[in-house]
Amino acid sequence: DAGVIQSPRHEVTEMGQEVTLRCKPISGHDYLFWYRQTMMRGLELLIYFNNNVPIDDSGMPEDRFSAKMPNASFSTLKIQPSEPRDSAVYFCASSRGANYGYTFGSGTRLTVV
Amino acid sequence: KNQVEQSPQSLIILEGKNCTLQCNYTVSPFSNLRWYKQDTGRGPVSLTIMTFSENTKSNGRYTATLDADTKQSSLHITASQLSDSASYICVVSENYGGSQGNLIFGKGTKLSVKP
Repeated sequence: DAGVIQSPRHEVTEMGQEVTLRCKPISGHDYLFWYRQTMMRGLELLIYFNNNVPIDDSGMPEDRFSAKMPNASFSTLKIQPSEPRDSAVYFCASSRGANYGYTFGSGTRLTVV
Repeated sequence: KNQVEQSPQSLIILEGKNCTLQCNYTVSPFSNLRWYKQDTGRGPVSLTIMTFSENTKSNGRYTATLDADTKQSSLHITASQLSDSASYICVVSENYGGSQGNLIFGKGTKLSVKP
């Protein structure tokens, strides 16, 4: 298994532009999570899906952020319009359930200038 | 407020030495506690998961302990290697009674192993 696959690995964009981050979870994992990591705040949960359905999006900072999971093998996190304070590493993770380990992707380092 | 506090914030040790990282939490109701290792520029990798009834769990040179009464956990690394240099993150899961609890992340301990 190739693990959780995220793309792109690095993204540099100008303020105001739309950014789309992509994630392919591990096959058979029913849960998919989007996290954001910064030095100041550590890892923060943005949203998670169970069987492609968004369950908890209370961590999404504001309406500029949206996430979709159109099928079991693909999810996107979109930021529109992007702002410099969105600069962070965004991780996608998948899991089989509550008492199983999460498998994280390698992350997307986003820089908004 | 549910919190996970880790100490020390950073640690430098010599290769071959042992070390212990601490995690205190106030999360309730408790479901499980996880330790992750995160190498620079990579995603976190799961080391151990412990539920309420488990006191200790090992993964190679890593041994995690859990005292659910005092709400403390430790991660002991034996005979450290240069490759152990990473951030170690303690994560506690709340128990909602459903299939997926909320995870509370600690800020991590940054370990540097020097030759």
